[in-house]
Amino acid sequence: DTGVSQNPRHKITKRGQNVTFRCDPISEHNRLYWYRQTLGQGPEFLTYFQNEAQLEKSRLLSDRFSAERPKGSFSTLEIQRTEQGDSAMYLCASSFEQGTNEKLFFGSGTQLSVL
Amino acid sequence: KQEVTQIPAALSVPEGENLVLNCSFTDSAIYNLQWFRQDPGKGLTSLLLIQSSQREQTSGRLNASLDKSSGRSTLYIAASQPGDSATYLCAVRTGGGANNLFFGTGTRLTVIP
Repeated sequence: DTGVSQNPRHKITKRGQNVTFRCDPISEHNRLYWYRQTLGQGPEFLTYFQNEAQLEKSRLLSDRFSAERPKGSFSTLEIQRTEQGDSAMYLCASSFEQGTNEKLFFGSGTQLSVL
Repeated sequence: KQEVTQIPAALSVPEGENLVLNCSFTDSAIYNLQWFRQDPGKGLTSLLLIQSSQREQTSGRLNASLDKSSGRSTLYIAASQPGDSATYLCAVRTGGGANNLFFGTGTRLTVIP
């Protein structure tokens, strides 16, 4: 168990391009979360999977954003037609369902810069 | 909606000092409160989780307290070290759903050797 892994660590792209990030959770964890964090702010919830099912999406997740977790293991987050406002750190977290005392384990994030 | 505030936004202390970080939240109906550490450009590491029925939790040089009725939590760091330099975030959980974890904006701590 090497923790939650995210790739790439950094991504620089031009406005209008599509980008895709990958998250590999801790192997026995059935819950996977995506958060977005901008400079000087706390993380904001984007979406969540339980196994392969995407159960919740934030209003922050516009139709340019799509997330998948096809086999209930790794997940991808794709942003289409990127905008400068998409520049942020994208964090993935995983957990094993433990009710209201659930503990999240975070990856190191993917830092996106849209030029 | 739950609002979580952390003051100050930044703090510098000399090595060896004891210090307190503050977290306040607007809705006292919480399930638990968690303190995280975040190093620059990195993800979050959970430090302590306090359940709503608890008053404090301790781990090594860290002690977190919770006063749910007043909507406050503190993180006490004893005998600070340069390696403690990081941003510390608190987060409150208001329910069992995925979108019920609310983060503060963090306090950036610098411990000066």
